[in-house]
Amino acid sequence: SQELEQSPQSLIVQEGKNLTINCTSSKTLYGLYWYKQKYGEGLIFLMMLQKGGEEKSHEKITAKLDEKKQQSSLHITASQPSHAGIYLCGADSGGYQKVTFGTGTKLQVIP
Amino acid sequence: DVKVTQSSRYLVKRTGEKVFLECVQDMDHENMFWYRQDPGLGLRLIYFSYDVKMKEKGDIPEGYSVSREKKERFSLILESASTNQTSMYLCASSPFSSFRDRDTYEQYFGPGTRLTVT
Repeated sequence: SQELEQSPQSLIVQEGKNLTINCTSSKTLYGLYWYKQKYGEGLIFLMMLQKGGEEKSHEKITAKLDEKKQQSSLHITASQPSHAGIYLCGADSGGYQKVTFGTGTKLQVIP
Repeated sequence: DVKVTQSSRYLVKRTGEKVFLECVQDMDHENMFWYRQDPGLGLRLIYFSYDVKMKEKGDIPEGYSVSREKKERFSLILESASTNQTSMYLCASSPFSSFRDRDTYEQYFGPGTRLTVT
């Protein structure tokens, strides 16, 4: 089965700093999702990547999928307190939209 | 906007009780999913359904059952709740995509139900 490893597990940054979260797969990724979860709430979809080398941006968040399609990174520029939460990567695990999720990265942004 | 609602945000039940968690989506999605989320373990798939009356086991189905009598509603049932089922339960839905098509769609999540079994 596919396993996703996220690093770091937690991150505390000063407001205004940049940060990167990584997601590494044991298998080739056919669809890679990034979600954000505010504490105690449901997941909010951020971006989906499918092609090797693909990069997408939304506001100050950029996600990339490497050429080999086994690693993705999420980069936040000039972090703000509103970016705080848990970031999860998920991978299409084959058929019926089944998704395998990583264990998440907990981000705290200190004003 | 896609909306996925769950019947309760917080629930406290006793060991041995039968527990029903309800999930409703309003976007006519074929697929619906139930996950549980635990610290250090991430989201784990319990069951999913790709059509009315159809269900498939996920990674951790033991101790759970599901029901999908209508397209918009997917219920998770704990036949006899146990303390190790204390967790955050998340429901999600997505449009249908076959493995062959390889179209991918994001899943839309409900707000979650935090279940405590005492």
